[in-house]
Amino acid sequence: DGGITQSPKYLFRKEGQNVTLSCEQNLNHDAMYWYRQDPGQGLRLIYYSQIVNDFQKGDIAEGYSVSREKKESFPLTVTSAQKNPTAFYLCASSIRLDWSGNTIYFGEGSWLTVV
Amino acid sequence: AQSVTQPDIHITVSEGASLELRCNYSYGATPYLFWYVQSPGQGLQLLLKYFSGDTLVQGIKGFEAEFKRSQSSFNLRKPSVHWSDAAEYFCAVGMNYGGSQGNLIFGKGTKLSVKP
Repeated sequence: DGGITQSPKYLFRKEGQNVTLSCEQNLNHDAMYWYRQDPGQGLRLIYYSQIVNDFQKGDIAEGYSVSREKKESFPLTVTSAQKNPTAFYLCASSIRLDWSGNTIYFGEGSWLTVV
Repeated sequence: AQSVTQPDIHITVSEGASLELRCNYSYGATPYLFWYVQSPGQGLQLLLKYFSGDTLVQGIKGFEAEFKRSQSSFNLRKPSVHWSDAAEYFCAVGMNYGGSQGNLIFGKGTKLSVKP
């Protein structure tokens, strides 16, 4: 089935450690996104990428890093510099980065808890 | 600044009753509007979207939404709610971002509870 796969679903991290969240899509979409969701806050954009080897910071990029070496993959690293990393992380993709008939599709999300 | 407001944090309706979830946006250009639904611990599923044309948009699961430019609103409606509709609902507007297009601005969500 076509879709967006995020892994792991649940992840626990000790303070001071970096962790990487995986996001893979087989929809042949050019654009990919990472959002962070906190209770009562809606979704906020961390990073987005419109094409391989290109990515841009979103609203809350500090303490995060990404790469886009392959069209289907857009991993997110939560670094130790992120002050409050405990959250629900959502990966998304769309055919392209514009609104001419475009829709953003979401993965099932990854829960990150800092212990 | 562009924003999306969902005035109701939590709504409870009886099964079989009608539903309306409110969404207001602030955006200078023609908006691209979306409603997504999220079950607990899951990703977001697209219910419907408005890009242009008919201002009454039909979506999945029996939902519809009406775009009213004069009121800057895009309210979601369903004539008869089912227990399985209990979830959190997010309104979003698509906007240009940093010179490129493709960012979604989300409201903070409305949690829907359904009474038997």
